[in-house]
Amino acid sequence: QQQVKQSPQSLIVQKGGISIINCAYENTAFDYFPWYQQFPGKGPALLIAIRPDVSEKKEGRFTISFNKSAKQFSLHIMDSQPGDSATYFCAASKDRGSTLGRLYFGRGTQLTVWP
Amino acid sequence: DAGVTQSPTHLIKTRGQQVTLRCSPKSGHDTVSWYQQALGQGPQFIFQYYEEEERQRGNFPDRFSGHQFPNYSSELNVNALLLGDSALYLCASSTRQGAYGYTFGSGTRLTVV
Repeated sequence: QQQVKQSPQSLIVQKGGISIINCAYENTAFDYFPWYQQFPGKGPALLIAIRPDVSEKKEGRFTISFNKSAKQFSLHIMDSQPGDSATYFCAASKDRGSTLGRLYFGRGTQLTVWP
Repeated sequence: DAGVTQSPTHLIKTRGQQVTLRCSPKSGHDTVSWYQQALGQGPQFIFQYYEEEERQRGNFPDRFSGHQFPNYSSELNVNALLLGDSALYLCASSTRQGAYGYTFGSGTRLTVV
């Protein structure tokens, strides 16, 4: 059972355009929603994360939009660059008191930015 | 500042064999988690260790076991390897409360033939 559903599976964007990746979850106990970027041969690297007490978080060209009632969140990459070409994963977890909870990952989105 | 270090980077094993993968967490981190990433898929949680004990476990059979040492480094052991165990195995470290989330290593690519 996929706890976090991610779409699209692949995305092609022109340089300077906006890349949008969407995720949905079912478990309302989730309270931490990170996005990871993974390049070939590397492990996932934390890009940006949000907690459900805010609806949007922006860091540079990356923005997370969060809709608690719809149980959806999305990643927007503004002014997309060829160097952004990578696989992006959304994830979710729930704190377990004093311990960081396990991550549930989406299946990933392969982003290609054309120069 | 060294991040998460995993060894070896690549490994080829025969079906039925046993394998041990190693992980050194990022400096200052005391918690280690292991994930399995099949080709074209998102990482799947195997288990998490802190204070040298398994604290959380995902939906993986007992063939998968682990250990954490007093210096916080960790091992993942897989017995009776199956072809389906071929994957990228990722180690992620964090502080126990995870104030800055998880830091992942580059992984060990295991191929079972």
